Amino acid sequence: GESVGLHLPTLSVQEGDNSIINCAYSNSASDYFIWYKQESGKGPQFIIDIRSNMDKRQGQRVTVLLNKTVKHLSLQIAATQPGDSAVYFCAERERSGGYQKVTFGIGTKLQVIP
Amino acid sequence: ETGVTQSPTHLIKTRGQQVTLRCSSQSGHNTVSWYQQALGQGPQFIFQYYREEENGRGNFPPRFSGLQFPNYSSELNVNALELDDSALYLCASSLAWTSARTDTQYFGPGTRLTVL
Repeated sequence: GESVGLHLPTLSVQEGDNSIINCAYSNSASDYFIWYKQESGKGPQFIIDIRSNMDKRQGQRVTVLLNKTVKHLSLQIAATQPGDSAVYFCAERERSGGYQKVTFGIGTKLQVIP
Repeated sequence: ETGVTQSPTHLIKTRGQQVTLRCSSQSGHNTVSWYQQALGQGPQFIFQYYREEENGRGNFPPRFSGLQFPNYSSELNVNALELDDSALYLCASSLAWTSARTDTQYFGPGTRLTVL
């Protein structure tokens, strides 16, 4: 399949370890932050989101942390598995004039070492 | 899977030609957004349609246009293709936001457009 993340920052982790993927955002008006996973040849897949009035949200094996003071978002994946290998994008969403404008970050490639 | 489909999977065009890409939204979703994803980059917002009307647009020229149909299928049209239009084109469907529900976007697999 085609490569989504040719020149993206890469994070390599051992299978079973925890992964932390970081993201900086820029728009103070963003009300929602979303993490997407994109595997080669596929569209982005929703993982988890967090409202701007929260600082932490947990899902199944994933946790998102939001620090509005420094405009920083992180995705923690517990017990990383080979199937977690993909490019991960953070996205910020702003509602503007009745529509939602979603702005994606540059992405981080996660490589899981068996 | 997300229930969002796109066609064709791959497409090759030459500079100056016109192209139409198609998207079938998840059942019941009344909002569709289109994105352009260049190789090695994140998706960039092109525009959004709600109830068959464009209600938001990113930084793309007018030669990028769209249609949304009552059955929630949609099209992205690009006229006068340029080499830089080569990219993966993604559609994402969602419900319109209300305070009672999420408007999370669900993406299709994309159409890979190559302009020669």
